[in-house]
Amino acid sequence: ELKVEQNPLFLSMQEGKNYTIYCNYSTTSDRLYWYRQDPGKSLESLFVLLSNGAVKQEGRLMASLDTKARLSTLHITAAVHDLSATYFCAPTPDNYGQNFVFGPGTRLSVLP
Amino acid sequence: DTGVSQNPRHKITKRGQNVTFRCDPISEHNRLYWYRQTLGQGPEFLTYFQNEAQLEKSRLLSDRFSAERPKGSFSTLEIQRTEQGDSAMYLCASSLGRLKIQETQYFGPGTRLLVL
Repeated sequence: ELKVEQNPLFLSMQEGKNYTIYCNYSTTSDRLYWYRQDPGKSLESLFVLLSNGAVKQEGRLMASLDTKARLSTLHITAAVHDLSATYFCAPTPDNYGQNFVFGPGTRLSVLP
Repeated sequence: DTGVSQNPRHKITKRGQNVTFRCDPISEHNRLYWYRQTLGQGPEFLTYFQNEAQLEKSRLLSDRFSAERPKGSFSTLEIQRTEQGDSAMYLCASSLGRLKIQETQYFGPGTRLLVL
């Protein structure tokens, strides 16, 4: 059974600072998704990482995937308040299962 | 493309009552998923459909839960004899469903259920 951990679970950071969120998972997975959720809202797709070594960047967010280490990172550069949200990673089970297995989420607060 | 829609957005019910939620996926999407999310947690998979066929169900989906997608378009999720532990946000998502591998899922706004 695929288990997913995220670290940290809560993150409070100052605007302009950099930080990295980590997503570890327990079994092999060949792709991984990152989603963002604003309070009271639904989930918005950010990135899909399709292979080992994949790196995607959008604005101040950059995601990477190391399938051998079963690790994905979401790096935040020069944080701004608009990035405050909860970020979920979701590796896919390696058996073509269709369900996402979400991590517990990292709640990010960017303070002015 | 109006996105995934869900109705109602909020539902308050008394323990023991039945409730039904509706999800309308993005029009050309063949796959439809239901998830449950409790406060402070990530969404948990409940079930998914490929067109009208229900292909996978989680162990979380007790016999009080039933989902249908009769014509391969909208879907309903019914909870019978609701319990306080059913209080959660119920999320629907859809994806194209053209490939065997998993694709990006697009989520609806959710239905927030409160069981008193």
